[in-house]
Amino acid sequence: GQSLEQPSEVTAVEGAIVQINCTYQTSGFYGLSWYQQHDGGAPTFLSYNALDGLEETGRFSSFLSRSDSYGYLLLQELQMKDSASYFCAVNNNDMRFGAGTRLTVKP
Amino acid sequence: DVKVTQSSRYLVKRTGEKVFLECVQDMDHENMFWYRQDPGLGLRLIYFSYDVKMKEKGDIPEGYSVSREKKERFSLILESASTNQTSMYLCATSGGALNQPQHFGDGTRLSIL
Repeated sequence: GQSLEQPSEVTAVEGAIVQINCTYQTSGFYGLSWYQQHDGGAPTFLSYNALDGLEETGRFSSFLSRSDSYGYLLLQELQMKDSASYFCAVNNNDMRFGAGTRLTVKP
Repeated sequence: DVKVTQSSRYLVKRTGEKVFLECVQDMDHENMFWYRQDPGLGLRLIYFSYDVKMKEKGDIPEGYSVSREKKERFSLILESASTNQTSMYLCATSGGALNQPQHFGDGTRLSIL
């Protein structure tokens, strides 16, 4: 089977840095993806890690350690518009999502 | 841009009814997925399809079936709707390799009374 664990809620202030962790257990693994979902909206793709290490896309970075079955999403220079839910997902022969982390950015 | 269209944004049906949720994509993607999203549970995979007439069960297929007669259309069917199937249903597509991002429709909020 497969399971993913991520914190249910995170709160941070505007301009700060926040890290959302994700640990997973899976029988097969191609990579770890991250998605953002604003209230009432559809999930949108943020990043994908197939190999160990850090992938950077603007203010967002994602990290993967296959040996630790662990990854994280790092959001820098937080803005109010970053308030949303963030999901990690394991890419296997299909896709399995975590339960999501609700990020609240305060002024 | 990939366009994934779900037939209804909101839908209200009665217990025991047969319910059809439709998803159409315009990018010739091979892979299509149906999820349901419930508070605290995230997105749970119901069924997916890698090709026309091909389907695979996800984590929670019970009470659901799917149909993929054409590449661009993936239908989710609730054979006999029950109140515990009240949820947000999301369709997604992806093309080619497994690491390609999924593109989601806006979702159908289904209420079973």
